Amino acid sequence: KAGVTQTPRYLIKTRGQQVTLSCSPISGHRSVSWYQQTPGQGLQFLFEYFSETQRNKGNFPGRFSGRQFSNSRSEMNVSTLELGDSALYLCASSYRGSGETQYFGPGTRLLVL
Amino acid sequence: GDSVTQMEGPVTLSEEAFLTINCTYTATGYPSLFWYVQYPGEGLQLLLKATKADDKGSNKGFEATYRKETTSFHLEKGSVQVSDSAVYFCALSDETGGSYIPTFGRGTSLIVHP
Repeated sequence: KAGVTQTPRYLIKTRGQQVTLSCSPISGHRSVSWYQQTPGQGLQFLFEYFSETQRNKGNFPGRFSGRQFSNSRSEMNVSTLELGDSALYLCASSYRGSGETQYFGPGTRLLVL
Repeated sequence: GDSVTQMEGPVTLSEEAFLTINCTYTATGYPSLFWYVQYPGEGLQLLLKATKADDKGSNKGFEATYRKETTSFHLEKGSVQVSDSAVYFCALSDETGGSYIPTFGRGTSLIVHP
């Protein structure tokens, strides 16, 4: 089976812009979770989508949003980018949800200038 | 809220040395516990897991036992290899009000010298 794929792998944006990241889960997985990884805060849970519905949400501002399509692919959007949004954004999929083993993609490295 | 504390790194060892990476947790319920490993330039991948007290997870020579009485899930390996050099994350997943919010430790970098 193909693993979790994320596009793009690298991205440079400027403050105030918005960005959309994409994640394709492992075939058959219905849950997609998003994480932000930074040296200062470590790995933090953003949200989880299951069958096109947001099911769990971490403690992030409303500028961070997402959606999931009927084929389980997911997108994450960050509006009005801030310098502190520079991070590695990881997507993970699982069959039933974020309570079980997560299968991670390689991540999208976002740099905000 | 839930939290995971793991030892600060980097941990530097010689090949064939014994490895322990400590992990303790706080949780309101009965969480599942995980160890993930991240190699440079890659995402995290599951190393092992345990879902209830006294369970032992094991994989590729690594082991960890779910200790409810000490709220710990320490990672051990009897003889490390250079290829084990990576960042190791302890994590838990706990149900709160019907939701599962995964919580990760800060990660421990392991460097193994030949």
